[in-house]
Amino acid sequence: ETGVTQSPTHLIKTRGQQVTLRCSSQSGHNTVSWYQQALGQGPQFIFQYYREEENGRGNFPPRFSGLQFPNYSSELNVNALELDDSALYLCASSLGSQPSYNEQFFGPGTRLTVL
Amino acid sequence: AQSVTQPDIHITVSEGASLELRCNYSYGATPYLFWYVQSPGQGLQLLLKYFSGDTLVQGIKGFEAEFKRSQSSFNLRKPSVHWSDAAEYFCASRGNYGQNFVFGPGTRLSVLP
Repeated sequence: ETGVTQSPTHLIKTRGQQVTLRCSSQSGHNTVSWYQQALGQGPQFIFQYYREEENGRGNFPPRFSGLQFPNYSSELNVNALELDDSALYLCASSLGSQPSYNEQFFGPGTRLTVL
Repeated sequence: AQSVTQPDIHITVSEGASLELRCNYSYGATPYLFWYVQSPGQGLQLLLKYFSGDTLVQGIKGFEAEFKRSQSSFNLRKPSVHWSDAAEYFCASRGNYGQNFVFGPGTRLSVLP
């Protein structure tokens, strides 16, 4: 069974640029959630995708957008990067979107640095 | 709105000593509660979860947590800490109507030999 993988591991961008982060969900999982973890803080929920549709969103501006593909892999896109976007971005996959069986399995994260 | 607090930013214990990490939640009803561990350079691993029923929950790696409704708490415990337990620990909650996960700020655990 393959776990959750994320690419790239590290990324450096400059302000105003755009970035795409990728996540491959664990085999059989149809739900992907994205989190932003700033240094020294807990993860903050960005959004969730369930069967290719956005299924919940946290308090993030529209320049944070995502996609989920038919194989349930996912992308996180961030436009017009700001310095405060520097963080570890975590992807988590699960089977189903409801709490009763929503054990999330996390990937190792992508470290984004915005200069 | 949901919130999760972890009052201790950093805790240091000696190997073999007992451990308790505190977590308090704020939610109108009983939320779903989780404890995760994060080692450097790694993603989060689920230690245990509480949905309903028995208020003492057993998890992996010898951890347990007790849900106390009257105190809005879900503290994590381990009777004897191992050096490999040194990591960052996060408490999280999720409302039972499909609300988003909310994580606490984390508690960093250091273990002295």
